[in-house]
Amino acid sequence: GAVVSQHPSWVICKSGTSVKIECRSLDFQATTMFWYRQFPKQSLMLMATSNEGSKATYEQGVEKDKFLINHASLTLSTLTVTSAHPEDSSFYICSAHGLDYEQYFGPGTRLTVT
Amino acid sequence: KNQVEQSPQSLIILEGKNCTLQCNYTVSPFSNLRWYKQDTGRGPVSLTIMTFSENTKSNGRYTATLDADTKQSSLHITASQLSDSASYICVVRWSNDYKLSFGAGTTVTVRA
Repeated sequence: GAVVSQHPSWVICKSGTSVKIECRSLDFQATTMFWYRQFPKQSLMLMATSNEGSKATYEQGVEKDKFLINHASLTLSTLTVTSAHPEDSSFYICSAHGLDYEQYFGPGTRLTVT
Repeated sequence: KNQVEQSPQSLIILEGKNCTLQCNYTVSPFSNLRWYKQDTGRGPVSLTIMTFSENTKSNGRYTATLDADTKQSSLHITASQLSDSASYICVVRWSNDYKLSFGAGTTVTVRA
């Protein structure tokens, strides 16, 4: 149980375009999902907390207009990187909050902006 | 200052040998402490989870210890295998909310 999936697993996009990453809780309902970014050889950094049916809460320094988060259902949250630039290239990981109040991590999405 | 410090930053061991990774934290009050294994290009996978009252927890060849008084934890890998090559991350959950504090991780490389 407590499986979280992400799609796509990797994506390459051109600078200036937007890309959407999906995060799904497959076997449980998640009222809260989290989005992390991880640069090479660094640990996960929390970007934002996504609550179903309400606006996401962004961490300090994260541009909410650039990283659009939508949590439209109890099993799906999406992260859209708008007008992507090469410096947005990173590994994006989501996690979902289960009923046991623990976070379950997805497999991650590798974004490369050329 | 990071509230979860891990050491060493990286280590190389020969297949079959044991190793111990360290985690010191200052998060207080904390709910639980987890060790995750993260393979390159993959999401973290939970190895062990310990609450305040637990001193040790095993998962196969992985054994974690916790000393809540000194705020230290360790992860011991026994009889290492090539597949153990990964980053091991110590994560502490705050008790007053859902937020997690992550260590920077220890990169373990197992060589034949």
